[in-house]
Amino acid sequence: EAEVAQSPRYKITEKSQAVAFWCDPISGHATLYWYRQILGQGPELLVQFQDESVVDDSQLPKDRFSAERLKGVDSTLKIQPAELGDSAMYLCASSSGTSGQETQYFGPGTRLLVL
Amino acid sequence: GQNIDQPTEMTATEGAIVQINCTYQTSGFNGLFWYQQHAGEAPTFLSYNVLDGLEEKGRFSSFLSRSKGYSYLLLKELQMKDSASYLCAVRGSGGANNLFFGTGTRLTVIP
Repeated sequence: EAEVAQSPRYKITEKSQAVAFWCDPISGHATLYWYRQILGQGPELLVQFQDESVVDDSQLPKDRFSAERLKGVDSTLKIQPAELGDSAMYLCASSSGTSGQETQYFGPGTRLLVL
Repeated sequence: GQNIDQPTEMTATEGAIVQINCTYQTSGFNGLFWYQQHAGEAPTFLSYNVLDGLEEKGRFSSFLSRSKGYSYLLLKELQMKDSASYLCAVRGSGGANNLFFGTGTRLTVIP
């Protein structure tokens, strides 16, 4: 069964350092999402890609966060510099399209702890 | 704005039936999803409703009433492994068709 891959699974860093997360969506899925999930809350969308283009990054803190999907396949989310409040689970999801009925499938997530 | 409400926690007994409610107020509606999330793991898809009524899938069923902005997830014959958080998510009708998640309901199944 095809799955969304993410790495690393866990990351501990000090504040002001740079961190990067990687996601490989299910093969053939054109749409890729990055979410942030703070403990005890639901996931919140950070950025959505359709192929290599950003569809929605309205909730992405652009002063410190960046995301790219250069070839329309895998994607990288970067935080520079990391802050204490960035400690959370970062989830990547993919879907086959955006017509409204496609299900989003989630990867295992990267749990970030900023010290 | 988007507002999705779910109970924070529920407890139920193994073998019983439990209903988890979700009410929503969103700008546009293009479907409602339920996801299961075990502690420290990613959400996994359970069900999708876009029309009013009940969708059944094995031990899990999901109901939607668009006029009331209301959905529920029904879990039958509860098993210990059903202990998890259950996330209600609504897809908006904007161009990006984004999902807006509730905070989730933590279900604990006891013997």
